Amino acid sequence: DTAVSQTPKYLVTQMGNDKSIKCEQNLGHDTMYWYKQDSKKFLKIMFSYNNKELIINETVPNRFSPKSPDKAHLNLHINSLELGDSAVYFCASSSSGGNTGELFFGEGSRLTVL
Amino acid sequence: AQSVTQPDIHITVSEGASLELRCNYSYGATPYLFWYVQSPGQGLQLLLKYFSGDTLVQGIKGFEAEFKRSQSSFNLRKPSVHWSDAAEYFCAVKRYNFNKFYFGSGTKLNVKP
Repeated sequence: DTAVSQTPKYLVTQMGNDKSIKCEQNLGHDTMYWYKQDSKKFLKIMFSYNNKELIINETVPNRFSPKSPDKAHLNLHINSLELGDSAVYFCASSSSGGNTGELFFGEGSRLTVL
Repeated sequence: AQSVTQPDIHITVSEGASLELRCNYSYGATPYLFWYVQSPGQGLQLLLKYFSGDTLVQGIKGFEAEFKRSQSSFNLRKPSVHWSDAAEYFCAVKRYNFNKFYFGSGTKLNVKP
């Protein structure tokens, strides 16, 4: 069973379109994240939700809208896609309690905007 | 503000040689430190982590890392590299009980046969 799964793995779309990426974790974690990895492999946090509540919202354009219907799911919707949105988007989860708290990552969703 | 520096963008080692990847962090309190590995086309996998106690921590795949508070470093080591270790390696830091992770820019490891 995949611990953190995200779909789709690949998206190719035109500028101006809207797209969504879905993420689910079966680890029982209470915190989920979206990270963006650019072409230079730099990982940048975008959003984080704890028990469906937004707790981290970095300086991300408001074309990006995360939604967490429950603590096991975190989706990312992107409106009016731009060329600069091309990247790999990683979903991750962690537990805010206990003494670990490390991130568990999905395999990534590679978005290409043409 | 917290930050993580990985000074080496690329490293090439021969198979069987030893490896050390550098990581320095900037943080005001005792950090939680992590090393992750990313194989091509894959997500990030945790290699090891440090929270407290023994400053030399062992991880998966034969990796270890040493926390040196005086040098603000958490360098990753492996005594004998295998071709399958070729990947991108990321160092990360977070604060206790706060779920924001700061990642370094990564070090790409190439392994020569």
